[in-house]
Amino acid sequence: EDKVVQSPLSLVVHEGDTVTLNCSYEVTNFRSLLWYKQEKKAPTFLFMLTSSGIEKKSGRLSSILDKKELFSILNITATQTGDSAIYLCAVEGSNTGTASKLTFGTGTRLQVTL
Amino acid sequence: DTGVSQDPRHKITKRGQNVTFRCDPISEHNRLYWYRQTLGQGPEFLTYFQNEAQLEKSRLLSDRFSAERPKGSFSTLEIQRTEQGDSAMYLCASTLLGVSDTQYFGPGTRLTVL
Repeated sequence: EDKVVQSPLSLVVHEGDTVTLNCSYEVTNFRSLLWYKQEKKAPTFLFMLTSSGIEKKSGRLSSILDKKELFSILNITATQTGDSAIYLCAVEGSNTGTASKLTFGTGTRLQVTL
Repeated sequence: DTGVSQDPRHKITKRGQNVTFRCDPISEHNRLYWYRQTLGQGPEFLTYFQNEAQLEKSRLLSDRFSAERPKGSFSTLEIQRTEQGDSAMYLCASTLLGVSDTQYFGPGTRLTVL
């Protein structure tokens, strides 16, 4: 059974700090790893990672995947109060090679204070 | 707005009643997924469709749950004889297979069973 473990479960930082969120996984027939941000509504897509060692970057957010060690990290630099949210990591395994269901972790709750 | 839409956004029902939720995916997206999210947990996969065909169902989807996508566009999720344990956020996601396999989520339907 596919499994995703995220750490820490929650985190409180001051505005301007840099944070690193961790995601480890076990999946059969790995296809991709995704990061989502969830505020008081549906998850919004951040990154999809399929290859090891290639950093994906969007503004102050970046993420990288290590397929050998089966983990990914999400970095947020110069945090702002608007970054406060739950960050979800999900993996996709596929027996057919095409897109399939996602298995999510429980998320990391990030709170950024002034 | 061309994102995934779900209706209703909130539903309160009494135990034993039947409820039906609707999901309208992003136009032309051929894959449609249903997930359930309870407080403090990440979304859990329920089922998914490719066009009108239901390709996979989770063990979480008991015989009280049924999902349809009759014309390959919108989908409905029905829960019969609701139980308090069915209280959750029901999320729908869609993707265009082969073009961008990222799953985009709708706002969800929050179900409360009294």
